Amino acid sequence: DSGVTQTPKHLITATGQRVTLRCSPRSGDLSVYWYQQSLDQGLQFLIQYYNGEERAKGNILERFSAQQFPDLHSELNLSSLELGDSALYFCASSTSDRRSEKLFFGSGTQLSVL
Amino acid sequence: LAKTTQPISMDSYEGQEVNITCSHNNIATNDYITWYQQFPSQGPRFIIQGYKTKVTNEVASLFIPADRKSSTLSLPRVSLSDTAVYYCLVGSYTGTASKLTFGTGTRLQVTL
Repeated sequence: DSGVTQTPKHLITATGQRVTLRCSPRSGDLSVYWYQQSLDQGLQFLIQYYNGEERAKGNILERFSAQQFPDLHSELNLSSLELGDSALYFCASSTSDRRSEKLFFGSGTQLSVL
Repeated sequence: LAKTTQPISMDSYEGQEVNITCSHNNIATNDYITWYQQFPSQGPRFIIQGYKTKVTNEVASLFIPADRKSSTLSLPRVSLSDTAVYYCLVGSYTGTASKLTFGTGTRLQVTL
């Protein structure tokens, strides 16, 4: 158990809909990362938050947004969903207070857009 | 951000030592080298991290030459349960942001 909690584990929805994925980082970790992994694809970095502030953006679509709350949990919002958005979405956390960064991943949310 | 290159796949028999090499020619002075293991439908799991020379823990060793332009993950006596995708990640926290991007990884298949 990595200590990172993601909910829900599975999500099935239709095209055009909006969903919210939730992540609770490890206790004490200030940084949260979101990754997308499509079938047979590597992990695509989406966005990073550190102590409530956006710190880095990767290949995140404009239809996607995220935020980190004062209690440090994070939410990834996906809107106007398309079939191609079906993927595993991972959240990871780290302390981000040192040069060497170790990421601890949650078990992911499997999103299926039908 | 340092780009990494790894073999797409490797095969091994159970009980053998497996060495997976990662190339990172434009590694920066502050960058660390980290390896992760991922099983299907699970999040990646940290295996080992190093900056230079050799690092060993209970599951693997990491060899980094002096020029740090490559690194080799060594898995001693693999078992069937080591079948997974292994990612090499190069990066560091700069104090403002860290954008840790994974490559496509190496798919290791272990058979009897």
